[in-house]
Amino acid sequence: EVQLVESGGGLVKPGGSLRLSCAASGFTFSSYSMNWVRQAPGKGLKWVSSISSSNSYIYYADSVKGRFTISRDNAKNSLYLQMNSLGAEDAAVYYCARGTPGYCSGGSCLSYYMDVWGKGTTVTVSS
Amino acid sequence: QSALTQPASVSGSPGQSITISCTGTSSDVGGYNYVSWYQQHPDKVPKLMIYDVSKRPSGVSNRFSGSKSGNTASLTISGLQAEDEAHYYCCSYAGSSSFVLFGGGTKLTVL
Repeated sequence: EVQLVESGGGLVKPGGSLRLSCAASGFTFSSYSMNWVRQAPGKGLKWVSSISSSNSYIYYADSVKGRFTISRDNAKNSLYLQMNSLGAEDAAVYYCARGTPGYCSGGSCLSYYMDVWGKGTTVTVSS
Repeated sequence: QSALTQPASVSGSPGQSITISCTGTSSDVGGYNYVSWYQQHPDKVPKLMIYDVSKRPSGVSNRFSGSKSGNTASLTISGLQAEDEAHYYCCSYAGSSSFVLFGGGTKLTVL
C-alpha cells in the first residue's frame, strides 16, 4: 500500500524551530518528486515547498523562503522540512504529498501535481 | 505569489451541473497548461481530480471535467451527487520562481 506518514509536529514558541519528517512506503521513493503543503485551521491549501526526485530542483513559497529547508534521503525513503524562525502565520497542518509519476527528464523527476497525500502533522506556534 | 481566485461557494441540486472558476494571470493559469483540481472533504486529505487542465486520474468519475480559456480555468461537475459536497481547490504551475499556486478554495454545497 502506498503510504505517507508525517511526524514532528507540535507546539513551538514564536521564533523557534521544528523539523518535520515524512516516511514513505509502498513505492519507489527515489523516483518521485515530493512536496509540502500546509493548511491553517479553517483555511485553504497553501503550497510550501517541492523537491525533485534526485534533489536537483528545490522550490519554496515566498512566505517561507530563507526560513524553511526541504530535503530528502532516498536511502531512508524520507522527506524532511526544517522550519526556523516560526511565527503565528506558520501554524497549520502540514501535509507531505507525492508528485505524480511520469514527469522525468535527465534522470530527475518533478511534477506539478500531487497524487498521494499523508494525513498531516499539526504545527502550533504559541508562547 | 498571489493565490488564484475562486468563488467562495457554489451550490447545486442533485443531478444538476455546476462550474467552478479559477482565475489567475498570464504568469500562471494563462501561461501554462498545468492546471489541476483537488477535492477535499471535511477532515479528509485532498484528492487529485483533474490534472493537465482536463485529464482525469484513474478512478475519478467522468462527471468531473476541466477546461481553460485564457487566464481562467474551470471545473465542471455534472450529475451532481450528495458525495460531491466538498471543498475544491485549483492549482497551477506558475513558473520556476513560484512553482505552484493554489486557489483560495470553493465550497460546493449540494442542496
